[in-house]
Amino acid sequence: DAEITQSPRHKITETGRQVTLACHQTWNHNNMFWYRQDLGHGLRLIHYSYGVQDTNKGEVSDGYSVSRSNTEDLPLTLESAASSQTSVYFCASSESPQMNTEAFFGQGTRLTVV
Amino acid sequence: QKEVEQNSGPLSVPEGAIASLNCTYSDRVSQSFFWYRQYSGKSPELIMSIYSNGDKEDGRFTAQLNKASQYVSLLIRDSQPSDSATYLCAVYSSASKIIFGSGTRLSIRP
Repeated sequence: DAEITQSPRHKITETGRQVTLACHQTWNHNNMFWYRQDLGHGLRLIHYSYGVQDTNKGEVSDGYSVSRSNTEDLPLTLESAASSQTSVYFCASSESPQMNTEAFFGQGTRLTVV
Repeated sequence: QKEVEQNSGPLSVPEGAIASLNCTYSDRVSQSFFWYRQYSGKSPELIMSIYSNGDKEDGRFTAQLNKASQYVSLLIRDSQPSDSATYLCAVYSSASKIIFGSGTRLSIRP
């Protein structure tokens, strides 16, 4: 069965370190999204991609970067982790910009910055 | 103004009653609308999608869309304790990105 997986599921890191969260999907979807979820804020969009070599900033992109070198993967990098980036991170994918169909989510990564 | 707005709740509904969840959005060009359910500590899962004005029914769930009023709602009939969760409204914006509301926490009391 096609799926979307995130790793690691839990991560503790120190302030100032670079951290990369992995997202891999086997749906062959063109669209991929990264969200963070904090109490009272719902899901806020960090970055998104419509396909290979395409990346776009979302509403809370400062301090984060992504790259899309293939269809399956969209890793999220925190350049220099800050305590404000302690959150639960969700990766999602959907078919294509033209289809506007639903997104499927990974299991989430709980990141703690100390 | 937030792009997608929901009442954060909590909304408390007795078991067996109808739960009504509401959502408004700001992008008039939006064409696709979704309701997700999220249990505590889990990832969001899709309940309903709706693309045209009117009602769409799936089992105990009914999604309603009114594009003129920029309003989406979700009705849950015969509410069960297992329906207790946070419900997220999501909208595909004109820029082909999916924007979520902050979610409504629903509690079904026995």
